Amino acid sequence: DADVTQTPRNRITKTGKRIMLECSQTKGHDRMYWYRQDPGLGLRLIYYSFDVKDINKGEISDGYSVSRQAQAKFSLSLESAIPNQTALYFCATSDTGGADTQYFGPGTRLTVL
Amino acid sequence: AQSVTQLGSHVSVSEGALVLLRCNYSSSVPPYLFWYVQYPNQGLQLLLKYTSAATLVKGINGFEAEFKKSETSFHLTKPSAHMSDAAEYFCAVSASSASKIIFGSGTRLSIRP
Repeated sequence: DADVTQTPRNRITKTGKRIMLECSQTKGHDRMYWYRQDPGLGLRLIYYSFDVKDINKGEISDGYSVSRQAQAKFSLSLESAIPNQTALYFCATSDTGGADTQYFGPGTRLTVL
Repeated sequence: AQSVTQLGSHVSVSEGALVLLRCNYSSSVPPYLFWYVQYPNQGLQLLLKYTSAATLVKGINGFEAEFKKSETSFHLTKPSAHMSDAAEYFCAVSASSASKIIFGSGTRLSIRP
């Protein structure tokens, strides 16, 4: 079984709808991250959490919110989706600090019409 | 602040040829440096990382990278390309054990038969 899972894997929605992307991990890591991938822009950090009580904004947090329900679960919400939020979204986990390997989920492809 | 620049959004080489993917970084403190690979329709996975030990780092699948402080570079090489190496490659930098990782914009590697 995969260490980091994301649901759904694909989602098509309409402008203005609320969307939640979910991430679960079985690695026992404290740190979890949400990234967005767009062609030519690499991965950009949306939000990150260093433990259950810690939530931090990344470089592109506007229009997004997160919830860390447990050590193993970190969800990303788009309160009112817009077309320029169409992208590939990745969840990742790491053990402790910046030198540690990040483990990525398979991604969620979101299309906002 | 940290940043990373990948030179060349797309690199194409013949099967059996040398692979060279370029990465330059900026960091105000000694960095941790990473190369991640993303195969089609998958999440990212770690290829190799530099954490201030040996400057020549060996990774999976025959890849290696050399940390050159004087040139602020961390280029990725492989002596002989295989068709299975076709993927997108991301260079990344982190400043310390407490910080998050900054990803480059990625380089897509194509292999010609």
